[in-house]
This record gives sequence, structure tokens and C-alpha cells, in this order.
Amino acid sequence: DGGITQSPKYLFRKEGQNVTLSCEQNLNHDAMYWYRQDPGQGLRLIYYSQIVNDFQKGDIAEGYSVSREKKESFPLTVTSAQKNPTAFYLCASSISGRRTGELFFGEGSRLTVL
Amino acid sequence: QQQVKQSPQSLIVQKGGISIINCAYENTAFDYFPWYQQFPGKGPALLIAIRPDVSEKKEGRFTISFNKSAKQFSLHIMDSQPGDSATYFCAALPPSLEYGNKLVFGAGTILRVKS
Repeated sequence: DGGITQSPKYLFRKEGQNVTLSCEQNLNHDAMYWYRQDPGQGLRLIYYSQIVNDFQKGDIAEGYSVSREKKESFPLTVTSAQKNPTAFYLCASSISGRRTGELFFGEGSRLTVL
Repeated sequence: QQQVKQSPQSLIVQKGGISIINCAYENTAFDYFPWYQQFPGKGPALLIAIRPDVSEKKEGRFTISFNKSAKQFSLHIMDSQPGDSATYFCAALPPSLEYGNKLVFGAGTILRVKS
């Protein structure tokens, strides 16, 4: 089955530690995205990548970093510089070259900072 | 101008009733308006979408109504069922010279359908 796999599903982190969330897709999509979901705030774009080795900041990129070394993978690192990292993180992908408005989401990773 | 305002924040409807969720936007250049459905612990999934040259789109029990002059669009769920209980997000697609699907999302509406 084609889809997006995010891991881990749940993650606990101590303050001051960096943590990396994994996102892998086998949909052969060029474009990938990271969103953060907080109650009452909808989905806010952290980073996105239209093609391998290229990515751009979204609306709330501060305290986060990404890499896109392979088409299938788009890991997100939540650094110690992120002031309020506890949230639900969603990875998505879409067909590149067409503006369809359709994103395919993974099941998310819930990060809790202790 | 890149915001999409969604209301209500939460909604409780009796089984068989009509659920209505509203969204408003400012940027008249938005050219595609999808709705996403998210069940607890899952990622959102595309439910239904509309382009601004259409006033209404229906798929089964789900209907989008679009009012271009008022810059508003809404989701109607007819004959609401307990299985429809989920969080619903409206979204809008900004115009972009680069290919992409960078959606702008509303804040979400938590729908609970009581049996």
C-alpha cells in the first residue's frame, strides 16, 4: 500500500534536547511538507520541499530544521531553540507540477517536552 | 490576507441532523477550496473541494456552498451520523508562480454527532 509513514508515533523529550521526526513516503511524490497542529490553531506550515535537495521555510520555521536528501524522506528536527515544541506534527506529500489542493498526510507524531 | 477564518470551533449535532461549518477568507486570489476530515489520532484526509467558479458541489451527504462575493464557503453534512464525528478543516490554495500545494488551513471544527 502506498502512503506516508511517520515515526515515532509518540515521543517524549527533555528540555534542551534536539529530536528528529521521521517521514517516509512511497507515493513517488516530489513535494513534501511538515505541519504543526495545536488545538484551536489549525495546521501551520513549518517547512516544505518541492524537490530533492531543496526546501523552503513555512510560516513557523523558527526552531526547526529539515533535510531532503532522498525523494522518499523528509525528516524534521525539533531543536532546543523551539520555545514551545509540545505539539502534534504531521508530514504530508503531494504531486508536484500540479496544483491539486490535495495533500496526503501521515498519521502524525505527538511530541511532548517534559 | 493569507488567513482563513473557520467557525464554530466545536459543534454538537443530533444523529440525522444537518451539520454546518463556515469559513471566510480575504485573499480573492485563492483559487481552490478543499475540506479535510481528521479522525482522532490520524492525519487529515481530503473530503471534498470546490473551485470559485462553482457555487455548490455535492458528494453524497457532503455539500460545499461557495459565495464568491461574500468570500465565504461552508460545508453541510446532511443526515449526520456518529461516524462523521471528527475534526473538519477548511483550506484555501494561494496562487503561486511555483508549482505547489501550500494550503492555508482554518483553525478546525470539532464535530460530535450524538446518537
